[in-house]
Amino acid sequence: DTGVSQDPRHKITKRGQNVTFRCDPISEHNRLYWYRQTLGQGPEFLTYFQNEAQLEKSRLLSDRFSAERPKGSFSTLEIQRTEQGDSAMYLCASTWGLVVGDTQYFGPGTRLTVL
Amino acid sequence: ILNVEQSPQSLHVQEGDSTNFTCSFPSSNFYALHWYRWETAKSPEALFVMTLNGDEKKKGRISATLNTKEGYSYLYIKGSQPEDSATYLCAFIFTGNQFYFGTGTSLTVIP
Repeated sequence: DTGVSQDPRHKITKRGQNVTFRCDPISEHNRLYWYRQTLGQGPEFLTYFQNEAQLEKSRLLSDRFSAERPKGSFSTLEIQRTEQGDSAMYLCASTWGLVVGDTQYFGPGTRLTVL
Repeated sequence: ILNVEQSPQSLHVQEGDSTNFTCSFPSSNFYALHWYRWETAKSPEALFVMTLNGDEKKKGRISATLNTKEGYSYLYIKGSQPEDSATYLCAFIFTGNQFYFGTGTSLTVIP
């Protein structure tokens, strides 16, 4: 297993455009998390999935953000009508989820720049 | 939103020096505390998962302690090496589902 992968690694877009990121977790990991990290801050929780079910969403996740994990494997995070404030590193992490508070395994992140 | 604080924000040490950082978190409803190391251009890597008051964990030259009653954890690095240069993040878990990260301590070890 090669670990958690994210695609793309970098994305530059113009304000108002839609973007979609993909995360492939470690296989057999049933829990998948999305975080956003801005300069000088730690990762901020956005949402998480237990298999295909989205169980929790942060207040940070406005209506322009949507996440899916259709078959309980990979996940996508879409941002519609991007704003400059959306510029950040978007991190994905997965865990077995069998024990609450299990170690998270992170992907390399997708760095979004909104011009 | 819970407040998880880390200090110092950044640190420069000479190779061979020992150093330590602090992670402060709410002392109520504690479930677990994680430490991660995040090197530039890499993914955050888990160092320790700590759950019990008084826990002490060690991995090579790096160790961590936990005090859940007063709400803090210390990370120690003995004999710092240039390869230890990274940002060290702590994450507080109180429901078991959400991870609240601190802002990190950026360590630079000068050869």
